[in-house]
Amino acid sequence: AQSVTQPDIHITVSEGASLELRCNYSYGATPYLFWYVQSPGQGLQLLLKYFSGDTLVQGIKGFEAEFKRSQSSFNLRKPSVHWSDAAEYFCAVGAQGNTGKLIFGQGTTLQVKP
Amino acid sequence: DTGVSQDPRHKITKRGQNVTFRCDPISEHNRLYWYRQTLGQGPEFLTYFQNEAQLEKSRLLSDRFSAERPKGSFSTLEIQRTEQGDSAMYLCASSLEASGSNQPQHFGDGTRLSIL
Repeated sequence: AQSVTQPDIHITVSEGASLELRCNYSYGATPYLFWYVQSPGQGLQLLLKYFSGDTLVQGIKGFEAEFKRSQSSFNLRKPSVHWSDAAEYFCAVGAQGNTGKLIFGQGTTLQVKP
Repeated sequence: DTGVSQDPRHKITKRGQNVTFRCDPISEHNRLYWYRQTLGQGPEFLTYFQNEAQLEKSRLLSDRFSAERPKGSFSTLEIQRTEQGDSAMYLCASSLEASGSNQPQHFGDGTRLSIL
């Protein structure tokens, strides 16, 4: 069955430090992969997506992610974190078939220290 | 682009009552999704529509839940005889389906349901 695992439930980094959030997926074919961010009490905002092609994808707010098929991973990175990046981050895979429905990981909460 | 709109933002009700939520998708989007998110978890798929047709329902969607999208525009999600376990954030998302590809979904801010 398809699934997404985000191994880190909670991460704390200092402002200005680099960030990497891990995501591993289970999927039988080439996956469609997404990263979303959610601020408290809000909906989800799309950061970036991978459909095909270049395995390093750029997103909004200075985020990037790298698709590694051999490791079944799609880790999110940012070179320098800002206090406003504190939020919950979700990795998702598009389900097989043409439904478009998403299967989400349980999320990683990012805390930024001043 | 006014985004996906959900109403109400918060709903508090007593166990056993019926509740209805509304979602207005981005106007040109033909697909509309409902997800449920409980505290500390990622969203879980409930159901989706393409235009007015409801094409898939999750096993999470018990017979107390019903969703409609009568004219292929806005959608409603109704929960009858609410239970404590229904307390969650209900998220709506929409997308433009094109040529069988997984287009990104745009989410609303959700309706938070609390059952007393």
